[in-house]
Amino acid sequence: DTAVSQTPKYLVTQMGNDKSIKCEQNLGHDTMYWYKQDSKKFLKIMFSYNNKELIINETVPNRFSPKSPDKAHLNLHINSLELGDSAVYFCASSQYRDGYTFGSGTRLTVV
Amino acid sequence: AQKITQTQPGMFVQEKEAVTLDCTYDTSDPSYGLFWYKQPSSGEMIFLIYQGSYDQQNATEGRYSLNFQKARKSANLVISASQLGDSAMYFCAMRSNQAGTALIFGKGTTLSVSS
Repeated sequence: DTAVSQTPKYLVTQMGNDKSIKCEQNLGHDTMYWYKQDSKKFLKIMFSYNNKELIINETVPNRFSPKSPDKAHLNLHINSLELGDSAVYFCASSQYRDGYTFGSGTRLTVV
Repeated sequence: AQKITQTQPGMFVQEKEAVTLDCTYDTSDPSYGLFWYKQPSSGEMIFLIYQGSYDQQNATEGRYSLNFQKARKSANLVISASQLGDSAMYFCAMRSNQAGTALIFGKGTTLSVSS
């Protein structure tokens, strides 16, 4: 069983569209995250949720909206996609004293 | 402000040799954790090793060891007996209470292992 699974793995879409990326973890972790990895491979935290509550909301355009229906799921919805949103988006989860487990990433390409 | 610095954009090593990847960090939090991740060309993030700020001994995991020098705020990754499969991007990361529980990453080091 995949510990942190995110779908889709690849997403190609046109500018201006709205898209969602889904993430689910079966580790029982309390905290989930979204990271963005840009073209230079730099990983930056976007959002952090603990038990469905938003903890961290870094400087991210408000076109990005995370939603956590329960502590096992953290989805990322992006409105009005722009070329600069093209990146790899990683979902991750953690529990204190445990490590951080990352999903396999979603490569978003905006054309 | 918290920061992770990896000053080596790329490193080259021959098979069976040891290599050290540098990482320095900055935090005013006395309690923090340091992590290393490997990202091969396939893209997944693979956890390698963890060092807690209060751990007395340097962490080791198989061929990976972490050279933790607290006073210098450095947490270098040492890979012994390099293998071709070690060719990848390596990220140093830190968790401290100042950033909630999120990991803050360095810019990474690309390691190339040749035969």
